[in-house]
Amino acid sequence: EIVLTQSPGTLSLSPGERATLSCRASQSVSSSYLGWYQQRPGQAPRLLIYGASSRATGIPDRFSGSGSGTDFTLTISRLEPEDFAVYYCQLYDRSPLTFGGGTKVEIK
Amino acid sequence: VQLVESGGGLVKPGGSLRLSCAASGFVFNNAWMNWVRQAPGKGLEWVGRIKGQTVGGATDYAAPVKGRFSISRDDSKSTLYLQMNSLKTEDTAVYYCATGGYISGWPLDHWGQGTLVTVSS
Repeated sequence: EIVLTQSPGTLSLSPGERATLSCRASQSVSSSYLGWYQQRPGQAPRLLIYGASSRATGIPDRFSGSGSGTDFTLTISRLEPEDFAVYYCQLYDRSPLTFGGGTKVEIK
Repeated sequence: VQLVESGGGLVKPGGSLRLSCAASGFVFNNAWMNWVRQAPGKGLEWVGRIKGQTVGGATDYAAPVKGRFSISRDDSKSTLYLQMNSLKTEDTAVYYCATGGYISGWPLDHWGQGTLVTVSS
């Protein structure tokens, strides 16, 4: 089973700053099946990015995804107040679907 | 798309509970449907899924719940179920249902708001 490791665990930034979140797979995976989710406090997760770099419907263009092989990145170009949340990467190519442990983006 | 979970509550260790997820706004009978849980203060954990009727409605489960949990669907009611037996304290979590497209390799693109299951004596 492939393990996804996210770093850092917590990212402390100010509104307007750039956020760079990492997701590393324990072995090479297809970027076609790598997604990112946002979970705001008290809310359900929502899909941000699928196929490593495609934004889901309604997701602002300040969110972007990149990467291949074992290393993937979620970038938020300029943090808005509503972006302070926890972000998870996920591999969804086959069972079992796996999530990374999450990165919390908090206000500095 | 709307997904509404129900059926959560307090149950003793060793007990059983059945969760439901009422779906609307999309073609349910061929959709691949998932359950994902989140223990208090922890991350997301995939529980299992049921495939659409075009591929026979087969199920997959995560190792921690295999043999104890069972996923089913009633396409006539557009409802997904999670039957949880032999519950353990570590099953305490918010349980979400989520859509997973109509084929393999689709992200979880719509989520319900979740229902809390507490396993405690």
